[in-house]
Formats: sequence, C-alpha cells, structure tokens
Amino acid sequence: KAGVTQTPRYLIKTRGQQVTLSCSPISGHRSVSWYQQTPGQGLQFLFEYFSETQRNKGNFPGRFSGRQFSNSRSEMNVSTLELGDSALYLCASSPNALTGGRPGEQYFGPGTRLTVT
Amino acid sequence: GESVGLHLPTLSVQEGDNSIINCAYSNSASDYFIWYKQESGKGPQFIIDIRSNMDKRQGQRVTVLLNKTVKHLSLQIAATQPGDSAVYFCAENRYFGNEKLTFGTGTRLTIIP
Repeated sequence: KAGVTQTPRYLIKTRGQQVTLSCSPISGHRSVSWYQQTPGQGLQFLFEYFSETQRNKGNFPGRFSGRQFSNSRSEMNVSTLELGDSALYLCASSPNALTGGRPGEQYFGPGTRLTVT
Repeated sequence: GESVGLHLPTLSVQEGDNSIINCAYSNSASDYFIWYKQESGKGPQFIIDIRSNMDKRQGQRVTVLLNKTVKHLSLQIAATQPGDSAVYFCAENRYFGNEKLTFGTGTRLTIIP
C-alpha cells in the first residue's frame, strides 16, 4: 500500500496570507490527524477527522481549520499566517480495530514544511 | 495538566550496545503509551505500544517497560545499529478510538560506529 502523502512538501508564505495543506491517507484508513512540529513546542495535536467529521481538537486558535472529504483525503487551512506558524505540519492516518490497528498506531506522512516570512 | 516528558534530550550509544530511552508522564488516565521513531526528513514511525494494565512488552529488538507507580516509561533497544539513529518520542493515547496523541519532547539517539 502507498503511504500517507502530503502536498506540497515545502511552502513559503508571508504574514497575513492563508495556506491550504493537503493529505492523502493510506487506503482504507478513515481517520486522519494533523500535528504541528516545531523545535520549541515539539509535536502538538491539531485535530482529527473521521468520516468527514472533526472528532478531536487540540488547543490551537480558530485560524487553524480542517476538513475531510468522502474519500478520506483531508486538508488543513491556516488563515492570517503569523511568523510563529512556521513549522512542519504532519498528517497521520490510522487503521481501526476491525482492520487490526493498535491504539495510537498512526502512520505519518513526510510533512509539509511551512515557512512564514 | 497532562504532559508527557523525557528525561534526556540526547543519547549516544556505541553500535552493538543496548540503549535505554526514558519518558515520564503525568496523566494517570492514559490507556496506552506508544513509542515513535523519527528519522531526519521523515514523519514519526510507530515502534511499539503498551497498554496501561501491562508492565512490559517486547517487540523485535525493542522492549517497552511501564512503571505506573512512578509514571515512567522506557524503551530499550537491543544491539543498536546505525539505522537506530533517530529522535524517539513517547506518546500517550487516552483510549482506543481516540486518535489524539500527546507527544513527549523527544530524545535524539546517536549510534556511534
């Protein structure tokens, strides 16, 4: 099976702009989670989608949003970008119990490196 | 508040030796604890997990130990290889079906040839 893919891999934006990142999960995985990774804060959970519904949400401002499509592909959007939004954004998909998945077993993509100038 | 933290940010181990990476957690309500490995330029990779009602679980060359009394988690890697060089994260998962992982800060493991 193909792994989790994320596009684009690198992105440079200026403050105040908005950005949309895309994630394609592993085939058959219906749960997609997003994380932000920075040297200072580490890996932080943004949100999780399952069957097109946001099921879990982290402690990020409303500028961060996401959605999931019927084919389980997901996008996240960051509006009014700030310098502090520069980070590696990771997407992960998860199998469920019926398909032999283990709790907390997530498959991560390579990430999108966002730089805000 | 809940937190998952690591004792050491860096660890260097001679190739062939065993390595132990430690993690402290504060949320007693967690059901699962997981170890992830992140190599440079890649996303984290699931290594092994352990349920809160267990104290030891073994995988291929890896063993995870859980001490609930002191809220401590460790990952032991046997006979380390150059490919084990990476950053290792412990993570906490509240319950199955909940995909919100809380990650620790990470330990960079360097294998010395």
